[in-house]
Amino acid sequence: AQSVSQHNHHVILSEAASLELGCNYSYGGTVNLFWYVQYPGQHLQLLLKYFSGDPLVKGIKGFEAEFIKSKFSFNLRKPSVQWSDTAEYFCAVKDTDKLIFGTGTRLQVFP
Amino acid sequence: DADVTQTPRNRITKTGKRIMLECSQTKGHDRMYWYRQDPGLGLRLIYYSFDVKDINKGEISDGYSVSRQAQAKFSLSLESAIPNQTALYFCATSDFLNDIQYFGAGTRLSVL
Repeated sequence: AQSVSQHNHHVILSEAASLELGCNYSYGGTVNLFWYVQYPGQHLQLLLKYFSGDPLVKGIKGFEAEFIKSKFSFNLRKPSVQWSDTAEYFCAVKDTDKLIFGTGTRLQVFP
Repeated sequence: DADVTQTPRNRITKTGKRIMLECSQTKGHDRMYWYRQDPGLGLRLIYYSFDVKDINKGEISDGYSVSRQAQAKFSLSLESAIPNQTALYFCATSDFLNDIQYFGAGTRLSVL
């Protein structure tokens, strides 16, 4: 079965800093990959997804992620974070008929 | 109005009590899911259902049961609650065309 690793558990940044959150999944083949975001006190919402095609995918709020098949990775990036990006970020991979989520990365952005 | 509605939003109960968490959706999706979220553990799948007659165990189904009363309703029961079931519970839906899941606002459950 698939598994997902998010190596950064807690990231603290100042506004305008660049962000990269790591995500690795356990085995290859055709994969559907997702990043979800959970703002404080809110439900999870989709940030971006990769199903096929261009490995660089763009999502909402200036986020992007790059699928690198050879590294089994799907890292999330943002060139310049804002205070409003403070949230928890979850990577997920489709495994047969369900999604497997990583343990999440808590991002704190200070003004 | 929310597309995926969970009730109650918060619940405090005692060890040994039976409790039901409810989820309803207006998205018209066939697939529904129950997850629990614990700090440092992310989201773990409890049960999922692809239609009214289909129920599947997830990663951590022990101590839980579910009922799919209709396409739009999927409830989660704790037959005899225990303190380590204290967590945030999320319901989600998706359709068969893609794997994007849409989440409810969550139910925060505390078992004393």
